[in-house]
Amino acid sequence: EAGVAQSPRYKIIEKRQSVAFWCNPISGHATLYWYQQILGQGPKLLIQFQNNGVVDDSQLPKDRFSAERLKGVDSTLKIQPAKLEDSAVYLCASSFRDRGFWNTEAFFGQGTRLTVV
Amino acid sequence: AQSVTQLDSHVSVSEGTPVLLRCNYSSSYSPSLFWYVQHPNKGLQLLLKYTSAATLVKGINGFEAEFKKSETSFHLTKPSAHMSDAAEYFCVVSDPSKNKLVFGSGTILRVKS
Repeated sequence: EAGVAQSPRYKIIEKRQSVAFWCNPISGHATLYWYQQILGQGPKLLIQFQNNGVVDDSQLPKDRFSAERLKGVDSTLKIQPAKLEDSAVYLCASSFRDRGFWNTEAFFGQGTRLTVV
Repeated sequence: AQSVTQLDSHVSVSEGTPVLLRCNYSSSYSPSLFWYVQHPNKGLQLLLKYTSAATLVKGINGFEAEFKKSETSFHLTKPSAHMSDAAEYFCVVSDPSKNKLVFGSGTILRVKS
């Protein structure tokens, strides 16, 4: 079974530039997450999709961050304009619904390491 | 709302000695709980999960965790540490009604030879 694919693996941009990350979840996984992991901290949920609908985006800085999941499969996360404090690893994960319960684990991609200079 | 507290930011053990990584949770619901491991420059890997079945959960690489509702704890243990266990470990609580995962701040495990 193929895992969660993310690209690019690394990205360096200047502040005020824009950047986009791409994620392809495991086939059949309805739930897709984007997490931000700042160095020395645990991952923080930015946005959660169920199919192509947003379940939770309460911690997404909507003035600069946007995300979409077209057709309920692939997803892109965009930052425009980037700030220095956006330097972090951006993790994509997916999970499936098991027998009507939501107690399933998430499978993570390798992440995209963003450096804003 | 769910939250999780990892009581130690760093733990150092000698190879061959027991490992204990502590985690306490807060949840309004019957939670699902997970432990993930993250090796340097690698993705997060699931070690084990608790989903209201047996309270003692066995995972990969000899790790196990015990769910104690009365203490709201889900500590991770391993009888004998190996050098390859050096990594960062995250305790995660899930709201089963939303499949939302909340991470702790992580515990870095160092294994000395």
